Amino acid sequence: EVQVVESGGGLVQPGGSLRLSCAASGFTVNSQFMVWVRQAPGQGLAWVSLISSSGNTLYADSVKGRFTISRDNSKNTLYLQMNSLRVEDAAVYYCVRGQMDVWGKGTTVTVSP
Amino acid sequence: DVVMTQSPLSLSVTLGQPASISCRSSQSLVHSDGNTYLTWFQQRPGQSPRRLIYQVSNRDSGVPDRFSGSGSDTDFTLQISRVEAEDVGVYYCMQRSHWLGTFGQGTYVEIK
Repeated sequence: EVQVVESGGGLVQPGGSLRLSCAASGFTVNSQFMVWVRQAPGQGLAWVSLISSSGNTLYADSVKGRFTISRDNSKNTLYLQMNSLRVEDAAVYYCVRGQMDVWGKGTTVTVSP
Repeated sequence: DVVMTQSPLSLSVTLGQPASISCRSSQSLVHSDGNTYLTWFQQRPGQSPRRLIYQVSNRDSGVPDRFSGSGSDTDFTLQISRVEAEDVGVYYCMQRSHWLGTFGQGTYVEIK
């Protein structure tokens, strides 16, 4: 079955760090581009970052310089390293296969003093 | 950035009646490869988004044929021919013709 499962969310203070993971099955994360999308409480969807099959990366302006997307092909896992977290980064973070056809259940990041 | 504007932002529909959601982009969504990467998603309460329609009008496997997508260039529409109770939720359009992709604000569909 083709699926992705996110993990790594939690409660962190402003300025702190978290690393999100996304374990894929049924396909390989390096075969197409992969995306992180977030949804703040009660809000809409927003692209955060993507990594292409060739390893090129893109970031939303709001996270550029603070977040890093990467993947471990041997573990078939996508990551999002989040540093210098802000209150406004609090959201459910979804890992999405590049065609936007496979979404995980999301992992919740809470940023609060 | 490409701005996606949906209307209306909420819709109250009688069961069995049609519904239509508009999505307009601030730039043409025709990609240099000739495709138009306009996608529609449904997000039911408490669930992850689900892709319904890709490249304007292609329905995903398992999506009821009462859902249809149309449009071109900057103007797109999602239509539900006969709304059912399971259609309650928020619908988003999204473009990925221009990186980084962008979503519309979402349209909440409820049953009247």
